[in-house]
Amino acid sequence: EIQLQESGPGLVKPSQSLSLTCSVTGYTITSGYDWSWIRKFPGNKMEWMGYISYSGSTNYNPSLKSRISITRDTSKNQFFLQLNSVTTEDTATYYCARYTYYGYEDYWGQGVMVTVSS
Amino acid sequence: DTVLTQSPALAVSPGERVTISCKASESVSTRMHWYQQKPGQQSKLLIYKASNLASGVPARFSGSGSGTDFTLTIDPVEADDTATYFCQQSWNGRTFGGGTKLELK
Repeated sequence: EIQLQESGPGLVKPSQSLSLTCSVTGYTITSGYDWSWIRKFPGNKMEWMGYISYSGSTNYNPSLKSRISITRDTSKNQFFLQLNSVTTEDTATYYCARYTYYGYEDYWGQGVMVTVSS
Repeated sequence: DTVLTQSPALAVSPGERVTISCKASESVSTRMHWYQQKPGQQSKLLIYKASNLASGVPARFSGSGSGTDFTLTIDPVEADDTATYFCQQSWNGRTFGGGTKLELK
């Protein structure tokens, strides 16, 4: 069974970088599909942030392009989110997921809540 | 961006039929997908490309629509269906609806 699990600090200070890890079991991230990050803000608005493909290429939401980086460690079957220069508006629950060709996610992690506060 | 509008909340009794709507601000063809989200659990894909039932999802769930108007139907509703349901389109970039919280009476 495919499982994804997010991990990372729950509190980040403004202007710093947010870094999260998604650990994948049950499927090798280089075998196929793309691997995405999505976030849900307080109040339920959701935003697709970007993905890293099975080949290592990336695609980002234009609204985040200057601040976001998605990378991977294939030896650990993990992929990562880095979001720079965070503000309180980046406070959200962050999800990693497997992204399919037709634009939907078929497997999700449970999500990790990140608060940006001094 | 394509805006997806959902009713914020619904309350139904177990055994009833419920339809959850999602209206797009412009056509998204049939690139509409539905998810179930419960706190602390993995989100679950229910319907992809408007009307296709995802693997392992009970046949009580169904989806319909094209263009700008889409519905997710649960029939009959069970107690375990208490959750928030999101629609998401992948025709014009990728955007999500605001979610519909389904409560059982």
